[in-house]
Amino acid sequence: QQQVKQSPQSLIVQKGGISIINCAYENTAFDYFPWYQQFPGKGPALLIAIRPDVSEKKEGRFTISFNKSAKQFSLHIMDSQPGDSATYFCAASSNDAGNMLTFGGGTRLMVKP
Amino acid sequence: EAQVTQNPRYLITVTGKKLTVTCSQNMNHEYMSWYRQDPGLGLRQIYYSMNVEVTDKGDVPEGYKVSRKEKRNFPLILESPSPNQTSLYFCASSLRPLANTEAFFGQGTRLTVV
Repeated sequence: QQQVKQSPQSLIVQKGGISIINCAYENTAFDYFPWYQQFPGKGPALLIAIRPDVSEKKEGRFTISFNKSAKQFSLHIMDSQPGDSATYFCAASSNDAGNMLTFGGGTRLMVKP
Repeated sequence: EAQVTQNPRYLITVTGKKLTVTCSQNMNHEYMSWYRQDPGLGLRQIYYSMNVEVTDKGDVPEGYKVSRKEKRNFPLILESPSPNQTSLYFCASSLRPLANTEAFFGQGTRLTVV
């Protein structure tokens, strides 16, 4: 049973459009929510992360929105570019979980020129 | 260059033949982890280590062993591989626990067990 559910599994967006990826979690002890970006043949790399004491965090074209009461968070990619084409993973962790990090199933994003 | 290095990158083996995937980091990180990546399931944590000689199970530890005898190395051992362990494996390291910091991943090891 996945503790972090991610949707959609795949997403096609036109260049310049907005890409939106959603995640939902079950464990209310989670208190750190990172997003990782993975290009083909590479390991994941941290993109942006948020803690539940804020509802939104923005870094350039990437924004995380966080809804603590709904136990949901999402990644918005504004002005999507072909170079953003990659697989995106949401994840969650908690301070009392040792070194555990729980990932969602991943979203394969393709941005068409 | 700061990096996590895994070897080999690709491996095809037969059922039951013991194998080791090596992982080494040059960032002096205390925390290291192993994950397997399968389509639709994301990355699932196999084992993690919080320091030399300190290891603990992740979500899917069955069929795997690890050791942490030196800070920089964290090998993954499959004593008797089975076809359901065919997967893409990643090693990761971090300066602090993963609830507080970024994980740095290796390039991955694609394992096929026939």
